[in-house]
Amino acid sequence: DAKTTQPTSMDCAEGRAANLPCNHSTISGNEYVYWYRQIHSQGPQYIIHGLKNNETNEMASLIITEDRKSSTLILPHATLRDTAVYYCIVRVGYDTDKLIFGTGTRLQVFP
Amino acid sequence: EAGVVQSPRYKIIEKKQPVAFWCNPISGHNTLYWYRQNLGQGPELLIRYENEEAVDDSQLPKDRFSAERLKGVDSTLKIQPAELGDSAVYLCASTQGTPNTEAFFGQGTRLTVV
Repeated sequence: DAKTTQPTSMDCAEGRAANLPCNHSTISGNEYVYWYRQIHSQGPQYIIHGLKNNETNEMASLIITEDRKSSTLILPHATLRDTAVYYCIVRVGYDTDKLIFGTGTRLQVFP
Repeated sequence: EAGVVQSPRYKIIEKKQPVAFWCNPISGHNTLYWYRQNLGQGPELLIRYENEEAVDDSQLPKDRFSAERLKGVDSTLKIQPAELGDSAVYLCASTQGTPNTEAFFGQGTRLTVV
């Protein structure tokens, strides 16, 4: 299974964009990139996912490089409620659908 | 519609005692996962079900852990006997089972073994 590498922690000022990087250099052609976040004492919450095209939803944008070896999650206007651990995951399809988590990035949004 | 429901929310037991966790996935979700999350770590997969079949239990410590998903809906994870090192949050997740659909997680059960 492809592994991901993320910075351990990041800070962001409230109202500014938070850009969370992820490296997945061994990703295969059929593996999706998923982002989840986990707020203290809650289960992980789905944010966004993509295969090779950039994606945007009401929560965030996902930018995947052309070679698919890295991606960036963008929270356009971070709020204090966005303080959480963010996990970047590569997910293989069907027979080996494991959804393997790493240690994630702890994002601290400050006033 | 209710999300993934887990119970109990918290559990404190003495070591060597048995314990069980229950999960009710989202209706129609064929794939169900059990994860264990130690303090400060990401969730680690224990077992994955496709309907009632355990298709990946390679990470489940089978000497003391067991799981079942009768009728392919609700699932139970059991530990017998519990050890101090089993203290963790146990998470259940479900998905429709295709790689282009998100998995939804429950709130988890926080187990403390004393």
